[in-house]
Amino acid sequence: DVKVTQSSRYLVKRTGEKVFLECVQDMDHENMFWYRQDPGLGLRLIYFSYDVKMKEKGDIPEGYSVSREKKERFSLILESASTNQTSMYLCASRAGAVLSRNSYEQYFGPGTRLTVT
Amino acid sequence: AQKITQTQPGMFVQEKEAVTLDCTYDTSDPSYGLFWYKQPSSGEMIFLIYQGSYDQQNATEGRYSLNFQKARKSANLVISASQLGDSAMYFCAMRLYVSSGSARQLTFGSGTQLTVLP
Repeated sequence: DVKVTQSSRYLVKRTGEKVFLECVQDMDHENMFWYRQDPGLGLRLIYFSYDVKMKEKGDIPEGYSVSREKKERFSLILESASTNQTSMYLCASRAGAVLSRNSYEQYFGPGTRLTVT
Repeated sequence: AQKITQTQPGMFVQEKEAVTLDCTYDTSDPSYGLFWYKQPSSGEMIFLIYQGSYDQQNATEGRYSLNFQKARKSANLVISASQLGDSAMYFCAMRLYVSSGSARQLTFGSGTQLTVLP
């Protein structure tokens, strides 16, 4: 059974704190993603990684950084948390390019609801 | 940049009836994929159905079908015989099959909250 896990379901942090959100997948997927989900805005891509140590900016990277030291783990870092980063954060993974319909499916973790006070 | 529009923030349907959730998209690229995901109140995103831009037939997966109208740039999700467990948020998403950049990744619409009434 495919599995994407996130380190916390709920997190409360103070403004200015450094925050680490961890994501682990056990499917040997090449691609991993971090999204934030806000009401009325859907999911927006923050960063993604297509290989170890490789990363690309998504649509809203400002205020975030990422780290991928191992294939199975992708971390999202908030260097100095702000109240406008209060949101639901979703991690996802996907296999690399394969000539199969199922290869296009992204598997999501359960999400981390972050509150910055 | 590609864009996904879901114009129905909320929908209600009677149990056992069919319901259509609207999705329109905007891209000038010829090669793309369209996806629908379901998000129950638990928060997990569940993949439902996929349609490639070059697929000749509309995709179907059990009670889910995708009404793909390429000329209109629409990819509506049809759920037949609604069940109470279908109550959830539904997201339409698109991915361009281009060589690089964030456009290769899923772009999501704002979602439609479906409520199935007993």
